[in-house]
Amino acid sequence: GQQVMQIPQYQHVQEGEDFTTYCNSSTTLSNIQWYKQRPGGHPVFLIQLVKSGEVKKQKRLTFQFGEAKKNSSLHITATQTTDVGTYFCAGENNKLIFGAGTRLAVHP
Amino acid sequence: DAGVTQSPTHLIKTRGQQVTLRCSPKSGHDTVSWYQQALGQGPQFIFQYYEEEERQRGNFPDRFSGHQFPNYSSELNVNALLLGDSALYLCASSLGQGNGYTFGSGTRLTVV
Repeated sequence: GQQVMQIPQYQHVQEGEDFTTYCNSSTTLSNIQWYKQRPGGHPVFLIQLVKSGEVKKQKRLTFQFGEAKKNSSLHITATQTTDVGTYFCAGENNKLIFGAGTRLAVHP
Repeated sequence: DAGVTQSPTHLIKTRGQQVTLRCSPKSGHDTVSWYQQALGQGPQFIFQYYEEEERQRGNFPDRFSGHQFPNYSSELNVNALLLGDSALYLCASSLGQGNGYTFGSGTRLTVV
């Protein structure tokens, strides 16, 4: 069945450093979505990428979708303490399958 | 504009019992998906309902069943509860597929 792998599992950074999480699907996707979950919270939709090679930006966040529509990345520039949480990618192909997430800790 | 509402927020059940969790989707959304999230893990897809029918199903046993009502709200039923069913159960609604999902705050189920 469809699987979505995400690395790294954890990332500890100093405030101001950059952060990247990577996502790989076992199958070609119709779209990939990114979610953020704060500790004790629920996943919150960040963005959806649909086109091969697509790049989208939201302030300090840059999202990329691979040419083969099987991989994606999220890059945060100059992290802030408000960026703390777990970032999930989720690939959609009739059903939305989540990766295991990358937990980001930001030290002031 | 109400988001996704789930009830109850917390629940404690005994092994072997049955449980029903409820979800009201975001206004304007017609598709409801259910996820199980164990501590420290990603949400695992249980099933998705659209037009009152189960459209997709993940790798969960038949003990997990659901229903969608004409007003798009949904229920998740779990029979013969096991200790391993203890988790956060998340409901997510969307307008069809491919449009991003809005999650509810979840129901924390503890099986003792």
